[in-house]
Amino acid sequence: GENVEQHPSTLSVQEGDSAVIKCTYSDSASNYFPWYKQELGKRPQLIIDIRSNVGEKKDQRIAVTLNKTAKHFSLHITETQPEDSAVYFCAATRGEYGNKLVFGAGTILRVKS
Amino acid sequence: NAGVMQNPRHLVRRRGQEARLRCSPMKGHSHVYWYRQLPEEGLKFMVYLQKENIIDESGMPKERFSAEFPKEGPSILRIQQVVRGDSAAYFCASSLGYEQYFGPGTRLTVT
Repeated sequence: GENVEQHPSTLSVQEGDSAVIKCTYSDSASNYFPWYKQELGKRPQLIIDIRSNVGEKKDQRIAVTLNKTAKHFSLHITETQPEDSAVYFCAATRGEYGNKLVFGAGTILRVKS
Repeated sequence: NAGVMQNPRHLVRRRGQEARLRCSPMKGHSHVYWYRQLPEEGLKFMVYLQKENIIDESGMPKERFSAEFPKEGPSILRIQQVVRGDSAAYFCASSLGYEQYFGPGTRLTVT
């Protein structure tokens, strides 16, 4: 089955700096890779996703890149702000319908002002 | 457009009791997933359902856990004879296609 590894487990950055979180996956059939942000006591919130036919996707200050050959994908946050502090989870799945999300262990991001 | 709804938000049960967690998907969504999050851990898939059908229950413990998504009403995750190790946050998510949207979760505490 699919296995997703996520690094680093914790990340501290200064406000305004960039943050990068990396994930690797094992199942070459996986074709959809979402990222979720979870604040303490709240629900996971979908912030960006990428499909396997795309190498990069950007939405304002966040971007995701995918390297299918190496089976890894990354989340990039630029110009970090204190409200970006949260736990970020990457995930992978095989298909559009009926396929479970396999999550990484999460990255605690702390943005220091 | 109301998001995914779950209730109760917090549930306290004594060991041996039953827990019933409910999830109403987003309007128009026919796919429901349940995930469990242990304290300070990631999310683990439990079960995927469509109306009146369990499609994938590969993540469900073999005993005491069951799930349903009836033709009418919310999806229900049922845990019988709860034990302390069942204490966790239980999230459901719904989808129409690729994107899964999560509810606020039910935090189950077993005393």
